Amino acid sequence: QVQLVESGGGVVQPGGSLRLSCAASGFAFGTYGIHWVRQAPGKGLEWVAFIWYDGSNKYYADAVQGRFTISRDNDENTVYLQTNSLRAEDTAVYYCAKDPAGISYMDVWGKGTTVTVSS
Amino acid sequence: QLVLTQSPSASASLGASVRLTCSLNSGRSNYAIAWHQQQPEKGPRYLMKVDSDGNHRRGDGVPDRFSGSSSGTERYLTISSLQSEDEADYYCQTWGTGIVVFGGGTKLTVL
Repeated sequence: QVQLVESGGGVVQPGGSLRLSCAASGFAFGTYGIHWVRQAPGKGLEWVAFIWYDGSNKYYADAVQGRFTISRDNDENTVYLQTNSLRAEDTAVYYCAKDPAGISYMDVWGKGTTVTVSS
Repeated sequence: QLVLTQSPSASASLGASVRLTCSLNSGRSNYAIAWHQQQPEKGPRYLMKVDSDGNHRRGDGVPDRFSGSSSGTERYLTISSLQSEDEADYYCQTWGTGIVVFGGGTKLTVL
């Protein structure tokens, strides 16, 4: 079945870095774009970044522009989110999600990985 | 600027129907949206896409108790025959060139 599994979360000090991974299975990974979406404790969903099916285009939310980098390896069916210069306000559950058509909506979600930024 | 507005909370009785509203900001009446459900302590789940003409397409396994509709800049999610497991947060979401936006979410309580 179609599945997305996030990993790489953890506890990191302010200013630190983490690389999150999103491993996909059950669909033609190389033909779909992937989003990262996060949810801070007790808050709503916040879009973070998107990468086209072939990695040719990448888009970021203003809150992470210049600090986060999205990438993908279609041979490994994996999307990555490199998070640098982390701040307390980046503390959240990070979800990856599949987009059925360019940059639009999310039709399959992963279960998330938790990032905690704290000293 | 692309903005989605949702009421923070809603409630309805078991077995009844409820309609949740997502409002696009002025001038965006041609935008489609998607609805996502998040049950307590779980990740989000895609429910459906709703086009500006009211056509909607449910995700795999989503019961037909869930339906979508549109009017102007308003997008609706109607849930009929409410069940206890429908108690959840519901988010609308839309997109533009290089940007994706979520509404603030509506917490639905099933009485």
